[in-house]
Amino acid sequence: DAKTTQPPSMDCAEGRAANLPCNHSTISGNEYVYWYRQIHSQGPQYIIHGLKNNETNEMASLIITEDRKSSTLILPHATLRDTAVYYCIVSAYNNAGNMLTFGGGTRLMVKP
Amino acid sequence: NAGVTQTPKFQVLKTGQSMTLQCAQDMNHEYMSWYRQDPGMGLRLIHYSVGAGITDQGEVPNGYNVSRSTTEDFPLRLLSAAPSQTSVYFCASSRLPGGGELFFGEGSRLTVL
Repeated sequence: DAKTTQPPSMDCAEGRAANLPCNHSTISGNEYVYWYRQIHSQGPQYIIHGLKNNETNEMASLIITEDRKSSTLILPHATLRDTAVYYCIVSAYNNAGNMLTFGGGTRLMVKP
Repeated sequence: NAGVTQTPKFQVLKTGQSMTLQCAQDMNHEYMSWYRQDPGMGLRLIHYSVGAGITDQGEVPNGYNVSRSTTEDFPLRLLSAAPSQTSVYFCASSRLPGGGELFFGEGSRLTVL
């Protein structure tokens, strides 16, 4: 699976949009971009994933560049409860199993 | 809605002891996996299963055994605990063997003295 690069930490003001970048310049054509978050010591929580089109759900939006070498997760109105570590992962669907590789992630701190 | 349930939540072992971490899911998911997370680190895959009777190794399988006799359960066995296995263990499941959304349990915090 392709590797990802994320900033180790970011701050965001409560109520503002949080834009979390991810670089995945070696992504292959069949690899999806996944975003998960981990609040404190809880189990990671799925946020969103996409292949090449932008995606939106009730939690966030995912913007993938046309060349697919980078993406941005957008939390439109960040709240204090969004403080967490956010993981960007690229992985292909394959029969060998869902081997998502979690790197260091970005620690997002939402401040009042 | 239970989702993925892990037991125990906390466990302290002495070096050389064995134990089993239990994981059960009620979503009829084919894919299940075990991760460990060391302090300040990301998650590393230990073992996974794409269906009952089928298991395979992940990134860090040494010192652990798994079996998958039913779709619902995927226990992780520590054969002879070592201090290096002190970690938080997460079980996850998904509907699709090769992709899609992973559902995680709340974790089992293990300390080996």
